[in-house]
Amino acid sequence: GALVYQYPRRTICKSGTSMRMECQAVGFQATSVAWYRQSPQKTFELIALSTVNSAIKYEQNFTQEKFPISHPNLSFSSMTVLNAYLEDRGLYLCGARLGINQDTQYFGPGTRLLVL
Amino acid sequence: GDSVTQTEGQVALSEEDFLTIHCNYSASGYPTLFWYVQYPGEGPQLLFRASRDKEKGSSRGFEATYDKGTTSFHLRKASVQESDSAVYYCALSDGSSGSWQLIFGSGTQLTVMP
Repeated sequence: GALVYQYPRRTICKSGTSMRMECQAVGFQATSVAWYRQSPQKTFELIALSTVNSAIKYEQNFTQEKFPISHPNLSFSSMTVLNAYLEDRGLYLCGARLGINQDTQYFGPGTRLLVL
Repeated sequence: GDSVTQTEGQVALSEEDFLTIHCNYSASGYPTLFWYVQYPGEGPQLLFRASRDKEKGSSRGFEATYDKGTTSFHLRKASVQESDSAVYYCALSDGSSGSWQLIFGSGTQLTVMP
């Protein structure tokens, strides 16, 4: 089956510092990856959609300057939260699609970010 | 824009009770509908999906039928177990809009007591 790993599972950073999180697809080729943030209230916010060899599309409230994403191959994506503040806390989820014409996303366990 | 509505924020049942979680959607195109389950400390796991009218998705005893007429995709299970306790999310993906992002409902916390 499709497996998605995320690392680290949990991280704590000081306010104003940055942290990088990784997403790895195992057993399938993740042509497209979506990054979401799940708030403490459990709602999902889409950060960006990334397709290999295409431009990354950021949602309105998220920018490349704040959340740079790398998607260098079909099994790996990473995202950095730059200059993190309290409002950036939450569970960051990576959702991977098996192919461009596939509508199902498989999620990793998430990276929980705590900001002090 | 597209949206998903789950009316029950929390559901508390006893083992072997019948479960219904209501899901209604609004979409400009013909979306694919999903049910995901999320356990504490984990990401959402796909339960099943349906992509056309009257199609039934099912997994682990859970089922839902795509109803285009009532724009619904209600989750049902005949006999719940304590291990079913989790948060359930209805979601849609509308590729006709040019974006493949998932639109999630607000989630339903299911608690099953032994």
